[in-house]
Amino acid sequence: AQRVTQPEKLLSVFKGAPVELKCNYSYSGSPELFWYVQYSRQRLQLLLRHISRESIKGFTADLNKGETSFHLKKPFAQEEDSAMYYCALRGANSGGSNYKLTFGKGTLLTVNP
Amino acid sequence: KAGVTQTPRYLIKTRGQQVTLSCSPISGHRSVSWYQQTPGQGLQFLFEYFSETQRNKGNFPGRFSGRQFSNSRSEMNVSTLELGDSALYLCASSPRTSGGGELFFGEGSRLTVL
Repeated sequence: AQRVTQPEKLLSVFKGAPVELKCNYSYSGSPELFWYVQYSRQRLQLLLRHISRESIKGFTADLNKGETSFHLKKPFAQEEDSAMYYCALRGANSGGSNYKLTFGKGTLLTVNP
Repeated sequence: KAGVTQTPRYLIKTRGQQVTLSCSPISGHRSVSWYQQTPGQGLQFLFEYFSETQRNKGNFPGRFSGRQFSNSRSEMNVSTLELGDSALYLCASSPRTSGGGELFFGEGSRLTVL
């Protein structure tokens, strides 16, 4: 079974402060992990994926298989980062035909001025 | 390119009725997935279609069904509506023929069951 846990429903930080959104997962195989973001009045969109090992809008996330975590981090939060963030997992042992994503329940990040 | 388009955006039904929701994927995308979003359960996978075939199905009762047409457009149907079916139904398309994970979402169809 696949499970994604985001322990914080709400996270509030001040502009310029570091931010870390936590994500833990449970999966027996080798997963693919993603972060999706939904800004106010916009549709859900991909922020980044662990395979790419990229930094998007200053955010990074490292897959830690030992701790089964995929925390999202940004050293200096900006007001425009305020949004709902969802961590998602895709099982990678499905022969390449699995598009099912299991989402966490999301963390609402508020960056205060 | 136009994004994923879902219709209708809002609808109100009563218990026992049925509803059909439509999704037009991004041009060239052959995979379409459906998700139910509620405040309590978050985003839950309903099913995924690729080349008119259902590839995966979530843990929803048989009242929830879907299909995909040859032009990749997809519909989902919910029969015998219950109050608990009130939710935002999101459609997502993907460009890949294998692998996956990057989904492009529509704005959703908000269903209210009275």
